[in-house]
Amino acid sequence: QQPVQSPQAVILREGEDAVINCSSSKALYSVHWYRQKHGEAPVFLMILLKGGEQKGHDKISASFNEKKQQSSLYLTASQLSYSGTYFCGTEKGGGSNYKLTFGKGTLLTVNP
Amino acid sequence: ETGVTQSPTHLIKTRGQQVTLRCSSQSGHNTVSWYQQALGQGPQFIFQYYREEENGRGNFPPRFSGLQFPNYSSELNVNALELDDSALYLCASRKDHTTGELFFGEGSRLTVL
Repeated sequence: QQPVQSPQAVILREGEDAVINCSSSKALYSVHWYRQKHGEAPVFLMILLKGGEQKGHDKISASFNEKKQQSSLYLTASQLSYSGTYFCGTEKGGGSNYKLTFGKGTLLTVNP
Repeated sequence: ETGVTQSPTHLIKTRGQQVTLRCSSQSGHNTVSWYQQALGQGPQFIFQYYREEENGRGNFPPRFSGLQFPNYSSELNVNALELDDSALYLCASRKDHTTGELFFGEGSRLTVL
């Protein structure tokens, strides 16, 4: 079951904040976040595990609400380099279920 | 750079033909997964290989098949190509099949005419 991301697209001015949400109808083992720039491969941002804590580095952080099977990615004081498409990937875990199912993505554009 | 390399980077085939895509995983990684990414969409899971065995498969027909070799490199084979198979094919490796981030290659862009 593909996770649902929202919003589909967001436009920011440099320095503004953004939140991208990811929700699943299934119980999750982990949530991954990746950023993909046009014409490039997806790049890992962070992983949140069931029972784990909120993660973050620099001005990008994320949380995972296990009860709601929802994760949110927080981008603070956005920079031009943050532009790209953000994907969440979810894993159910167990047996052959350690495989990432990606959402459709959120296109983030940061303007000067 | 992630250390995951894919070849070829671009290729054009005609409907009905067969294609083989190759991937070298990052050193120390025993798990490789393949994804299909259509334009404007998220990567869709095709299958995963862990220590040379298929360890999970997405909703793709049997004409999509794969292999993993003892050095953990991998191949994706697609038979009887259809127009809808046109996409970016991404290979990703991870240190172990149950945990850790995915390291993606740059992808192979397949066009089916």
